[in-house]
Amino acid sequence: QVQLQQWGAGLLKPSETLSLTCAVYGGSFSGYYWSWIRQPPGKGPEWIGEINHSGTANYSPSLKSRVTMSVDTSKYQFSLKVNSVTAADTAVYYCARKDTLTGPDYWGQGTLVNVSS
Amino acid sequence: DVVMSQSPLPLPVPLGQPASISCRSSQSLVHSNGNTYLNWYHQRPGQSPRRLIYKVSNRDSGVPDRFSGSGSGSDFTLKISRVEAEDVGVYYCMQGTHWPYTFGRGTKLEI
Repeated sequence: QVQLQQWGAGLLKPSETLSLTCAVYGGSFSGYYWSWIRQPPGKGPEWIGEINHSGTANYSPSLKSRVTMSVDTSKYQFSLKVNSVTAADTAVYYCARKDTLTGPDYWGQGTLVNVSS
Repeated sequence: DVVMSQSPLPLPVPLGQPASISCRSSQSLVHSNGNTYLNWYHQRPGQSPRRLIYKVSNRDSGVPDRFSGSGSGSDFTLKISRVEAEDVGVYYCMQGTHWPYTFGRGTKLEI
């Protein structure tokens, strides 16, 4: 059974850097894209980007200038950094496994990130 | 970005009755490889989304057969043959054909 467990700071001030990590338990780490998706309060989810085990990353154009993703294959973990956050970055952030043939299937529990001065 | 439009918003349905949710995309979701990457997710309050359907009509393991997906091109539908109490929540369609992948705004199913 695949499980994704994520963690990171939940309260940030404007201009700080958001940092989240997701650990993968069960299943293979290669052969998938490891994704970050966020959901602003009361809205639909928004794709942030994805990265594979080799470190090849794809970022959403709207966030590309502020986002960095990385992987640690030895720990089966992947991470997200978003710099220069503003209130518009307030959302529940999810990590997810994306099967290349079928799309996101397993999701983490979500982390509420609140950006407030 | 591809815009995913869902209707209705919200969707009141009596227990035991059928429900239908529509999802339309601003572009065709047929990939150059011939596949159509349209998924449906269900999200209960305070929980992560759970995938129900992938590639238009394929039910995920453990998903009751009262859920079915259909459609083609840019017009898709999720149907629930008989709504049960556990089906409440928000349903999202998501396209994985065009980058960046995008979700609909969601349809809230109410009993």
